[in-house]
Amino acid sequence: EAGVVQSPRYKIIEKKQPVAFWCNPISGHNTLYWYRQNLGQGPELLIRYENEEAVDDSQLPKDRFSAERLKGVDSTLKIQPAELGDSAVYLCASSLDRRSETQYFGPGTRLLVL
Amino acid sequence: QKEVEQDPGPLSVPEGAIVSLNCTYSNSAFQYFMWYRQYSRKGPELLMYTYSSGNKEDGRFTAQVDKSSKYISLFIRDSQPSDSATYLCAMSARNQGGKLIFGQGTELSVKP
Repeated sequence: EAGVVQSPRYKIIEKKQPVAFWCNPISGHNTLYWYRQNLGQGPELLIRYENEEAVDDSQLPKDRFSAERLKGVDSTLKIQPAELGDSAVYLCASSLDRRSETQYFGPGTRLLVL
Repeated sequence: QKEVEQDPGPLSVPEGAIVSLNCTYSNSAFQYFMWYRQYSRKGPELLMYTYSSGNKEDGRFTAQVDKSSKYISLFIRDSQPSDSATYLCAMSARNQGGKLIFGQGTELSVKP
């Protein structure tokens, strides 16, 4: 069974440019999470989806970050415009449903903003 | 003060050593406790999962939870070079929709 797929794996952009990350969760997983992991830190939740509904986006910087999960499967996280401080690894995870405590992580997208 | 505190290390041990990794936390509502292993340039993978207090053993790995002290541990017996990775503790509370709060991660290096 394929795991969580993310693309691109690496992205280098200049500040003020837009960037988008894509995630395909494990088939059948209704809950999808986006985390940000700064260097030397643990992941921090940005947004959680139950099917296509964003049910927890309290940590998402809404002035520049947006996310969507059309049809409750794939998801896209966007940053516009990017700032130097956005350099981090963006991880996508999925779980069977919100009651499941087991989250499966993708390999992440490593973003560098110059 | 962070909700979950974890010594970032790095921790270097010889092959075959017993490794002890620890986290403390402040939120008494946490009931689910996990240890994730993260290899360089990879996503975290679930290693151990424990509900509430107690011990859980899986091969060379043992997870302990002491809710009275708000302290969790992961022990690795007969450590191997392949165990070299960053170990992240994570916790969640009931009815939080699986929102995980992670520790900073401890970087472990097992030398042959």
